[in-house]
Amino acid sequence: RKEVEQDPGPFNVPEGATVAFNCTYSNSASQSFFWYRQDCRKEPKLLMSVYSSGNEDGRFTAQLNRASQYISLLIRDSKLSDSATYLCVVSNAGGTSYGKLTFGQGTILTVHP
Amino acid sequence: DVKVTQSSRYLVKRTGEKVFLECVQDMDHENMFWYRQDPGLGLRLIYFSYDVKMKEKGDIPEGYSVSREKKERFSLILESASTNQTSMYLCASSLYPPPTEAFFGQGTRLTVV
Repeated sequence: RKEVEQDPGPFNVPEGATVAFNCTYSNSASQSFFWYRQDCRKEPKLLMSVYSSGNEDGRFTAQLNRASQYISLLIRDSKLSDSATYLCVVSNAGGTSYGKLTFGQGTILTVHP
Repeated sequence: DVKVTQSSRYLVKRTGEKVFLECVQDMDHENMFWYRQDPGLGLRLIYFSYDVKMKEKGDIPEGYSVSREKKERFSLILESASTNQTSMYLCASSLYPPPTEAFFGQGTRLTVV
């Protein structure tokens, strides 16, 4: 089983749609969680961190369920500029793996007019 | 701004050559990472380092080694390049301890012929 697994996608949605991405992780000792965004032919960049209480940044909402080892990202009112690959990222806790960042395989989102 | 710089954007090497990929960061980050990214497989961790001269194997270390003699520089070495090492290589750095944002270099597209 992969350490971090995401919806395979791709997702093709019209402008204005709401889209949700899911991610599961296998290591119950994982400490920190993130969503990164990667544009075509560019490096990944942090979109938002994910907290147990859930957090929102404009049209983006991230949720963490530690009991189910599940992370989600919700995008409301999709824009053409949201088209990208979204990467779920988990950071380990403890021992020499402290700080190790493990990425999911990514989910491709295409927003069309 | 945080800057992570990889020495080359594109490299073409021959099978059997020893290849050095260099990465330098200017933010005094403790953690540094080397990933490779392949279509359908996402980012896979090769090695990471949480301090000078310290290194930990990632998920796919076979055929690679690393060197971190100075805090700002993390080198990836392909001892004897093979065609299955043709890939996009991404270096990243982050503060320690987590949770903190990881910053990526622009990537090196390596082709082994």
